Amino acid sequence: GAVVSQHPSWVICKSGTSVKIECRSLDFQATTMFWYRQFPKQSLMLMATSNEGSKATYEQGVEKDKFLINHASLTLSTLTVTSAHPEDSSFYICSARDKGYRHNEQFFGPGTRLTVL
Amino acid sequence: DAKTTQPPSMDCAEGRAANLPCNHSTISGNEYVYWYRQIHSQGPQYIIHGLKNNETNEMASLIITEDRKSSTLILPHATLRDTAVYYCIVRVRSGGGADGLTFGKGTHLIIQP
Repeated sequence: GAVVSQHPSWVICKSGTSVKIECRSLDFQATTMFWYRQFPKQSLMLMATSNEGSKATYEQGVEKDKFLINHASLTLSTLTVTSAHPEDSSFYICSARDKGYRHNEQFFGPGTRLTVL
Repeated sequence: DAKTTQPPSMDCAEGRAANLPCNHSTISGNEYVYWYRQIHSQGPQYIIHGLKNNETNEMASLIITEDRKSSTLILPHATLRDTAVYYCIVRVRSGGGADGLTFGKGTHLIIQP
């Protein structure tokens, strides 16, 4: 149990285009999902917290108008990178917290590698 | 969340026990110790967590010192597939909407054949 999927697993796009990444909890309900970004040889950095049915909370320095997050259901959150530029190229990873789970561990998706040309 | 200190890298022979240390000298009474690992180009994987008692599951054991200022993650019989970056994270275990995790640099564990 506790499986999180992401789609696509990798994407290449041209500068200026928008890219949508989906994060799904496959076998549990997730009231809270998180989006992280990881640059090469660096650790994961939390970008935003996504709560079902409400606006996302962004970490300091993350532009909310550039990284649009929608969490419309208990099993799906989406991250849209708008007007992507080469510096947005990164590994984007989501995680979800199981609503019914006793513990506080988060379950992570496999990640989406974004390359902006 | 309390700060943690981990060695940047470690080697371990396949089949031996891998012992990964973590210092968290500023841990507070309501903070738990969590361990995650990240295999190259994959999302992190939860391993284990504990408050003050030693914990064991199918993946690993967690030994926390009596003063809780440090802990050790033990992989009893390391395999090549255990090669990964291991993160020790100290945080409060919240019951409601959880905060995101703060990842440090972790320990790059390399299992040698």
